[in-house]
Amino acid sequence: AQRVTQPEKLLSVFKGAPVELKCNYSYSGSPELFWYVQYSRQRLQLLLRHISRESIKGFTADLNKGETSFHLKKPFAQEEDSAMYYCAFASGSARQLTFGSGTQLTVLP
Amino acid sequence: EAQVTQNPRYLITVTGKKLTVTCSQNMNHEYMSWYRQDPGLGLRQIYYSMNVEVTDKGDVPEGYKVSRKEKRNFPLILESPSPNQTSLYFCASRSGDSVYGYTFGSGTRLTVV
Repeated sequence: AQRVTQPEKLLSVFKGAPVELKCNYSYSGSPELFWYVQYSRQRLQLLLRHISRESIKGFTADLNKGETSFHLKKPFAQEEDSAMYYCAFASGSARQLTFGSGTQLTVLP
Repeated sequence: EAQVTQNPRYLITVTGKKLTVTCSQNMNHEYMSWYRQDPGLGLRQIYYSMNVEVTDKGDVPEGYKVSRKEKRNFPLILESPSPNQTSLYFCASRSGDSVYGYTFGSGTRLTVV
């Protein structure tokens, strides 16, 4: 079955510490993977796409097809990074998104 | 400004009273979707549409209907709402040839009492 797994529901780190949010996927084809961020139950905003290999707000994510993972990383966390983070992949005729259950990141001062 | 607009933002209703949540996008996107967000469950897709008059069920379609008579609009209809449909709902749209994924609306918080 196609699914996205985010094993950590809650993650707390101190400001300035590195952070890694884990994402594993199960998908038979070539995945189109995304990270979305949601601040305080607002709208979801696209953070990263795996095909662009870009860095947004200091975050990066590398697709590891061997481990079927797409972990989100940032070397030095900031308090404004506190938010809910969702990993998702697109599939199907309308490239619908399948989301993980999300990880609530809290960056402590 | 390119955006997905949902209305209303907040809605409290009673069991069984039909309601419609509207969704409109001004980006000429082909694909549109509805999701519900519940604590611990993340976002689950309700319905999606590939274009005008083309809709299909997502993972949790029971109790919902949609229509796509115009490209820009994709309303979500609850014919007989029940308390288990209390949730935060998001509409999203995407261009068929885009690599940027879906753009989301601001959400509609629905409470069914």
